[in-house]
Amino acid sequence: NAGVTQTPKFRVLKTGQSMTLLCAQDMNHEYMYWYRQDPGMGLRLIHYSVGEGTTAKGEVPDGYNVSRLKKQNFLLGLESAAPSQTSVYFCASTLLPTSAGELFFGEGSRLTVL
Amino acid sequence: GIQVEQSPPDLILQEGANSTLRCNFSDSVNNLQWFHQNPWGQLINLFYIPSGTKQNGRLSATTVATERYSLLYISSSQTTDSGVYFCAASPNFGNEKLTFGTGTRLTIIP
Repeated sequence: NAGVTQTPKFRVLKTGQSMTLLCAQDMNHEYMYWYRQDPGMGLRLIHYSVGEGTTAKGEVPDGYNVSRLKKQNFLLGLESAAPSQTSVYFCASTLLPTSAGELFFGEGSRLTVL
Repeated sequence: GIQVEQSPPDLILQEGANSTLRCNFSDSVNNLQWFHQNPWGQLINLFYIPSGTKQNGRLSATTVATERYSLLYISSSQTTDSGVYFCAASPNFGNEKLTFGTGTRLTIIP
C-alpha cells in the first residue's frame, strides 16, 4: 500500500518554465489537497478537491492551476514559474472532509525556480 | 479565518526529558490534528483530536475545545523525536481548509 505518492521529488526550473506535479493516492480518498511549505511559515493550502472533477482555491492559489480528472490523481501545474514559487510542495488526502478526517501526506516535492 | 498559534517555537531537551507543546486556536473547531515532520521532511500523523485525550506510547495529546487549546506531551524523549511538530485545525463552520500553525522545532540531545 503506497499511500500518497508525489512525483517528481525534486525539480529545478528556470523562470518562465512550466511544470506539473503529480499526486496519486491508492486509499480511495475523496478529498485531496496541495500545500506549500516555506521556512518559518508552516504549511499553506494552495488548492484542494472534494471529489473527482472538482477543484477549489485555497489560501495561496495565485500562479497555480489544478485538475482532478481521476479520483486517485490530483495534478498541480505551474504555467510560468517564478522564484517566489521555490518551495516544498506537499500533497495530502483524506477519506472524510477535514472536519472529520485524518489527513495523510505524501513525501513532498522540492521545487527550485532560478 | 481561524488562527493557530504554537508555542514554544523552539525547544532543546536532553534525551529522557519530558516536554509539553501547546497549540492555541481562535475559533471553535471540529478538527484538530498533530503532525510530526521528521528531519527528512516527512509529515506523519500523530493524533486526530478535536476534543478529549488520546495516548499512543510515549506520546499523548489533550484538547480542551471550550478553552481553545491543545497540548502534546512527549515523555522520555528520544533522539528520534527530533523534528518539527505542527498542529492544524479546521473551524466548526468553515470550508475544507485545515489551517496549520508555524510549528515547534524540537531538538533532543543525546
